Amino acid sequence: AQSVAQPEDQVNVAEGNPLTVKCTYSVSGNPYLFWYVQYPNRGLQFLLKYITGDNLVKGSYGFEAEFNKSQTSFHLKKPSALVSDSALYFCAVRSYGNNRLAFGKGNQVVVIP
Amino acid sequence: DVKVTQSSRYLVKRTGEKVFLECVQDMDHENMFWYRQDPGLGLRLIYFSYDVKMKEKGDIPEGYSVSREKKERFSLILESASTNQTSMYLCASSRRSGQAPDTQYFGPGTRLTVL
Repeated sequence: AQSVAQPEDQVNVAEGNPLTVKCTYSVSGNPYLFWYVQYPNRGLQFLLKYITGDNLVKGSYGFEAEFNKSQTSFHLKKPSALVSDSALYFCAVRSYGNNRLAFGKGNQVVVIP
Repeated sequence: DVKVTQSSRYLVKRTGEKVFLECVQDMDHENMFWYRQDPGLGLRLIYFSYDVKMKEKGDIPEGYSVSREKKERFSLILESASTNQTSMYLCASSRRSGQAPDTQYFGPGTRLTVL
């Protein structure tokens, strides 16, 4: 079985401050990890993914995520948040050879001007 | 860029109606998916297709069926719509697992209201 936990329903951060959105996962074998962002009334947009290699992955819009195997985590980070980063963020995981993704419940990020 | 399109952004139907949601992708992807998204529940997989005429049940298939007659098109069918099927429906596509890049790409979603 594969699953993702996003422990916080909402993350509030002041504009210009660092942003962190937490994700922990459970999967058999090596994980493939993904972050998606959803703006209001829109579909999900792909941000970044970890497949193998460097634990620090860089993605779109200045976001990055760090894979930590010992803590089974894949937290999303951005050094300086923008008001336009306010959106719903989803973490997802699958194992090698599995076509299905398991999604977390999502984190609402609110960046306060 | 990958493009996944869905036939309607907003749809209002009555209880008992048969509802068709259409999804088309233009990247020759093998896999196509239908999810529903509800607040606090995240995305839940309804059905998945890994090839033409092939389908696999997801986590919540009850009350739904699917059709994939052509590689680029994947339809979700609500045989008899009920109010508890009011939701946001998202379609996605990807290459087969193991074929890079196999990221799932999503359409804009259809917000369905069943009265």
